[in-house]
Amino acid sequence: NAGVTQTPKFQVLKTGQSMTLQCAQDMNHEYMSWYRQDPGMGLRLIHYSVGAGITDQGEVPNGYNVSRSTTEDFPLRLLSAAPSQTSVYFCASSPGGHEQFFGPGTRLTVL
Amino acid sequence: AQSVTQLDSHVSVSEGTPVLLRCNYSSSYSPSLFWYVQHPNKGLQLLLKYTSAATLVKGINGFEAEFKKSETSFHLTKPSAHMSDAAEYFCVVSDHGEDTGRRALTFGSGTRLQVQP
Repeated sequence: NAGVTQTPKFQVLKTGQSMTLQCAQDMNHEYMSWYRQDPGMGLRLIHYSVGAGITDQGEVPNGYNVSRSTTEDFPLRLLSAAPSQTSVYFCASSPGGHEQFFGPGTRLTVL
Repeated sequence: AQSVTQLDSHVSVSEGTPVLLRCNYSSSYSPSLFWYVQHPNKGLQLLLKYTSAATLVKGINGFEAEFKKSETSFHLTKPSAHMSDAAEYFCVVSDHGEDTGRRALTFGSGTRLQVQP
């Protein structure tokens, strides 16, 4: 099993550009989440999904969209990038309990 | 609502001495609690978890944590620090939304552990 994979590993955007961060898992987990990590703030939940076709907002959803068309994939879309979205983004999946498995992260810089 | 407070943002110990990383939590439900470790420029790895079984939880690499409901604490300990333990550690409480089925984690702000030779 590859576990949770994320692409790209690094990305630089200009203000106003859009992009999609990819996340995939091969563990057949129902639950998937996106977090952002900023210095001194731990990880904060952006969006989550409890199954294909079902998504909901987390703690810091503004400026981000998600969709879940399959169990395996959970892409995160930045609609119009802003410098405040410079962060490290982690995708996670869970088999339905509370333990979550994290991907390696995407480091995003918005100029 | 739930929250997690890690009482120290930075802890420095000498190699071979004990490690104590402190965590207090608040939760409306019977919580599930976790400690995750993040080495520099890496993802997060689960160290250990408490899910209402034994209150003393053993994890990987010699770490353990004790759930104390009366003190709402879940401190992480290790008898003898190793250089490879230098990393950032996150205390985490699980959120279980009864109405939405939400499964998400609330993270503490992290404790950076430095191990001196």
